[in-house]
Formats: sequence, C-alpha cells, structure tokens
Amino acid sequence: NAGVMQNPRHLVRRRGQEARLRCSPMKGHSHVYWYRQLPEEGLKFMVYLQKENIIDESGMPKERFSAEFPKEGPSILRIQQVVRGDSAAYFCASSPQTGAGTEAFFGQGTRLTVV
Amino acid sequence: AQKITQTQPGMFVQEKEAVTLDCTYDTSDPSYGLFWYKQPSSGEMIFLIYQGSYDQQNATEGRYSLNFQKARKSANLVISASQLGDSAMYFCAMRGIIQGAQKLVFGQGTRLTINP
Repeated sequence: NAGVMQNPRHLVRRRGQEARLRCSPMKGHSHVYWYRQLPEEGLKFMVYLQKENIIDESGMPKERFSAEFPKEGPSILRIQQVVRGDSAAYFCASSPQTGAGTEAFFGQGTRLTVV
Repeated sequence: AQKITQTQPGMFVQEKEAVTLDCTYDTSDPSYGLFWYKQPSSGEMIFLIYQGSYDQQNATEGRYSLNFQKARKSANLVISASQLGDSAMYFCAMRGIIQGAQKLVFGQGTRLTINP
C-alpha cells in the first residue's frame, strides 16, 4: 500500500508564475488535507477536502490559492501569481475518516521556491 | 481556539540519555487527540505516537512514551535511550472532536540534537 504521494518534491517558480502541487492520497483514503510550513515553523492548516468537495478552507489565503480533489485523479493545490512569500514546504495528508483520534498520513512534501 | 505550545526551541542531549520534549495545549473540546511527529532533515513528517484525551494509560510506542497530564494540559514526549538518528525536529499536534475535527493544530517544534 503506497503512502501519500506528492509531486513534485521540489518546485522553482519565478514571481508571477503559477504553481501546481499534486497529492495522491493513500488507497482507500477519501479525506485530504493541505498544510504549509514556513522555514523553522510548524505546519499550518490550509484546507480540508473530500472527493469533489471543499469541507474547510479556513486556512487558505483568500486570493491566489485554490484547491480541488476531483472524482478521478489527485488533489491539486494551485497558487496563482506566486510571490516570494509563498516559498515554503507544502504538505498533503490523507486519512480514511475524520475524527479526533484519526491519524493523518503525510506525504513527503513539495518545497516551493519562488525566485 | 485550539493552541499547542512547545517552549523548547532546541535541546541537546548525550547519546543513550533519556530526553523529554515539552508540549502544552489549550482547547475547550471535551474530547481530543494528541500527536507527536518527527521531521528529520530530509523533511518528511513521521508519525510517532498518539494519545486520546480519554485514554486511561499513557501511550507507548517502543522507545517513545507520552507523559499525559490532563489536568495540566500537557503531553510531553519521552524518548528513552536516545540515538544519533533521533536528531530531528519534533512537533506536537492536536485535533479536537468538535472544534476543527478536520485539522491538526501544530506547535512550533523543538529541534533535538543528539551528541555522540
């Protein structure tokens, strides 16, 4: 059973370009979460999705950021017109269900560098 | 709102010694889960141990144990017989059953360095 797969592992974008980060959850997991980690900080929740639905996007910046989890295919975190402050590690996690005791399995992250 | 506080930015420990990483939390949720993750220099997040708020016993997983003191709202991670490979960032996190059951709230982390 493959783990959570994120790609690319490293992504370099120039200011103003678009960044697309992909996440394939573990088999059988229908809950996907995206987190952002700035250097030397903990992970901050961005968005929680189930298939074809955004459940909680309270941590997402209002502009330039969007996320989707289509019926078929991976979850995508999209950042339009990237700025230097978007440089961070972006982690995806998945779980088979939700709840206080449910473990979230993390991918290896995508490290975005904006130059 | 839920909050996790890790007051030790960095810790240095001699190999084979035990080490305690502090974590305090704040929540109004009646039921919640507490998690510890390890992040080595390679960057991935590795799940270590979980403690439920209604669990009667402290969680243990091999060399890891969680010193859970509910009244003090603390969930310290204890690593026994530390090894060089334990050098990493360690994050405490929580998830509530009502407030934000969908998301983990993380602390700032503690960087642990094991000296030979």
